[in-house]
Amino acid sequence: AQKITQTQPGMFVQEKEAVTLDCTYDTSDQSYGLFWYKQPSSGEMIFLIYQGSYDEQNATEGRYSLNFQKARKSANLVISASQLGDSAMYFCARENSGGYQKVTFGTGTKLQVIP
Amino acid sequence: KAGVTQTPRYLIKTRGQQVTLSCSPISGHRSVSWYQQTPGQGLQFLFEYFSETQRNKGNFPGRFSGRQFSNSRSEMNVSTLELGDSALYLCASSLGGDADEQYFGPGTRLTVT
Repeated sequence: AQKITQTQPGMFVQEKEAVTLDCTYDTSDQSYGLFWYKQPSSGEMIFLIYQGSYDEQNATEGRYSLNFQKARKSANLVISASQLGDSAMYFCARENSGGYQKVTFGTGTKLQVIP
Repeated sequence: KAGVTQTPRYLIKTRGQQVTLSCSPISGHRSVSWYQQTPGQGLQFLFEYFSETQRNKGNFPGRFSGRQFSNSRSEMNVSTLELGDSALYLCASSLGGDADEQYFGPGTRLTVT
């Protein structure tokens, strides 16, 4: 099975500092999409950012940016200026082109922001 | 615009029973996907419905089934419940195109005793 690997089960970051959450993936597809989601303790999954495999530039959404290295099959999430409300589980996910909404999720990283 | 809604939010069932969960997508969204989330297995894709047809299916036994209605609302049914079916069941809706962003509902937490 094609996997998504998030090697950091838990991370701490000081408020206002930047943090990088790692994600690597397997795929044999040429075209695919990569997503990051945030899941607070309430349980709801919140979309953060999307990167298409053919996108030349790294995706950015406000304080979130995606460090996409296609050759290394890596799609790390960078959160700048961390806030207490950023404390949550973060999931990396991949959708295969042609697989429509069939999305594979990583195991997640629990981020805790320290005041 | 209203978000994705799921009912019920919490459910307790006993082994052997069956359960039906409901998901109402965002207006205009034609795709609904279902996921199971457990501490041991993480988030796993169950199936996806688009225009009342199952378009994708994950690796779950036949006890897990679903359907979608003409208004895009979707139901998921689990028959002959097992203890291992205790999980958070999330549904997500999208327009249904390739790599379209999925919007998730709050989930239904099912406990099987």
